[in-house]
Amino acid sequence: DGGITQSPKYLFRKEGQNVTLSCEQNLNHDAMYWYRQDPGQGLRLIYYSQIVNDFQKGDIAEGYSVSREKKESFPLTVTSAQKNPTAFYLCASSILSALNTEAFFGQGTRLTVV
Amino acid sequence: KQEVTQIPAALSVPEGENLVLNCSFTDSAIYNLQWFRQDPGKGLTSLLLIQSSQREQTSGRLNASLDKSSGRSTLYIAASQPGDSATYLCAVTTTDSWGKFQFGAGTQVVVTP
Repeated sequence: DGGITQSPKYLFRKEGQNVTLSCEQNLNHDAMYWYRQDPGQGLRLIYYSQIVNDFQKGDIAEGYSVSREKKESFPLTVTSAQKNPTAFYLCASSILSALNTEAFFGQGTRLTVV
Repeated sequence: KQEVTQIPAALSVPEGENLVLNCSFTDSAIYNLQWFRQDPGKGLTSLLLIQSSQREQTSGRLNASLDKSSGRSTLYIAASQPGDSATYLCAVTTTDSWGKFQFGAGTQVVVTP
């Protein structure tokens, strides 16, 4: 099946710890994105990548880091510098063509600080 | 900066009624507008994508319209069913941020049997 796979579904982080969220897609999409969702708020863009080995900061990049070594993979690391990391994290991908920028999402990772 | 607003934040209708969900945006130079559905604790499911050159898009019981000049899109869901209960989000990309999506906060819909 084609799609976007996020893992794990639930993740618990201790204070001062770095954790990495996985996102893999087999849709052959050029662009990949990480969003954060908090209750009652819209999705906010953390990082995005339009090509391998290149990525840009979104609106709330502080305390996060990413890599894009392969077209299929775009892992997100939540570092200890992120002071309020408890949230629902969503990964997305899209084709970047002149006519179609339709986005497809994974099932999300819920991160909780313990 | 593009601002996307969805009003109301929550909506409850009896089964069989038509649903009308609103999305407004401040920058009319949009590239695409996309409607999504989100079930509790789940990811987003794409419903409809409207390109900037289109006025509407239809899929089954769903119809989405786009009026760029007034900065509005409306999602119509005909003959609502309890299974339509979910949060509906709209997102836009603009010509100066191609490929980046700006989301509204969503409308939470409950369809009562």
